[in-house]
Amino acid sequence: EAQVTQNPRYLITVTGKKLTVTCSQNMNHEYMSWYRQDPGLGLRQIYYSMNVEVTDKGDVPEGYKVSRKEKRNFPLILESPSPNQTSLYFCASSSPSSGGLGTIYFGEGSWLTVV
Amino acid sequence: DAKTTQPPSMDCAEGRAANLPCNHSTISGNEYVYWYRQIHSQGPQYIIHGLKNNETNEMASLIITEDRKSSTLILPHATLRDTAVYYCIVRVEFGTGFQKLVFGTGTRLLVSP
Repeated sequence: EAQVTQNPRYLITVTGKKLTVTCSQNMNHEYMSWYRQDPGLGLRQIYYSMNVEVTDKGDVPEGYKVSRKEKRNFPLILESPSPNQTSLYFCASSSPSSGGLGTIYFGEGSWLTVV
Repeated sequence: DAKTTQPPSMDCAEGRAANLPCNHSTISGNEYVYWYRQIHSQGPQYIIHGLKNNETNEMASLIITEDRKSSTLILPHATLRDTAVYYCIVRVEFGTGFQKLVFGTGTRLLVSP
């Protein structure tokens, strides 16, 4: 079954304590990305990766880091979390497409609270 | 990036067709219209996409106007499980081939018995 798996699904942490949200996909997709979802703001892209060792900033990258050492994994790193990073996070993956083909698959989300 | 505009909420009776409109007046000629939905706070789920022609699959139909400035998602026989937030999205495909979804705030569809 095609899956994007995120962990943890729920986390409460304290300001400044480094954390990593893992993301793994089993579809051999080249493209992976992270979004955050906040009330009234919809989903906003944080970072994306076009392939192994190729990453770039999305619309709201401040306070986040990513890495893509393996094709299947794309962890999101919060080096020093702050309360304004409290949000629902989604990882997504897809393949290059032509003619509009190709679906973007989303993980089930990770609820992160920073106190 | 092309922007989409959707009504914030809509109601539909169970068994009836739900017609969800979307305005994307600034869409470019090579940008596709995608529809996703999100049930509660689960990950968004793909529904359908199109470029110029109307499209239909097992979940829904997509009607795109000839000038491509707007589209309508049709759920032919809405069920209670179709209650969700529906996002009309323009997919931006950069010259490098990377795809980016530009999300709006969506339409909250409530299907009632």
